[in-house]
Amino acid sequence: QKEVEQNSGPLSVPEGAIASLNCTYSDRGSQSFFWYRQYSGKSPELIMFIYSNGDKEDGRFTAQLNKASQYVSLLIRDSQPSDSATYLCAVKEMDSSYKLIFGSGTRLLVRP
Amino acid sequence: DAGVTQSPTHLIKTRGQQVTLRCSPKSGHDTVSWYQQALGQGPQFIFQYYEEEERQRGNFPDRFSGHQFPNYSSELNVNALLLGDSALYLCASSPRGFYEQYFGPGTRLTVT
Repeated sequence: QKEVEQNSGPLSVPEGAIASLNCTYSDRGSQSFFWYRQYSGKSPELIMFIYSNGDKEDGRFTAQLNKASQYVSLLIRDSQPSDSATYLCAVKEMDSSYKLIFGSGTRLLVRP
Repeated sequence: DAGVTQSPTHLIKTRGQQVTLRCSPKSGHDTVSWYQQALGQGPQFIFQYYEEEERQRGNFPDRFSGHQFPNYSSELNVNALLLGDSALYLCASSPRGFYEQYFGPGTRLTVT
């Protein structure tokens, strides 16, 4: 059973701090990695995707991928109370698969 | 530019009944995936439709079926509803040749 693991949290950080969210995956053949943000009662919103080892930056968000260690992380700089949400990590398996496998999410709480 | 739309927003059904959920993909997208999200869990892949055919299916029973129309919109049908089918049903669309999936607002199904 291919799995995506996330710490459920809550991860609590003060406003202005860097929030670091981590995700590990079991399928070494995984190709593509996604971070979604989900506010309570709402649907997931795609905020970042990364396909190659290394870092990818978009505004206050940085996704980091290490395929050898099978982990992907999301850094949120200058965290704001509006960033408080559940962050879902999703992994696309090998090339022949189209589905995304999701972790259960990490709840982030940014304290004013 | 309209995003992914789903209808209805909420639905209450009785055990044993049948339900149909509808999805219109984002403009320019031709691939539709359906997911089930239970409370506190990540979305679980049901199936994906491309060129009006089911391209891949997750671990869901045959009670779950779908359809894609020539305009790329899609339906999810669930027969013989069980209490355990109560969940948020999410539709996601993707542009041709890309792996990113963009979710609609979801349909909250309650089975009593």
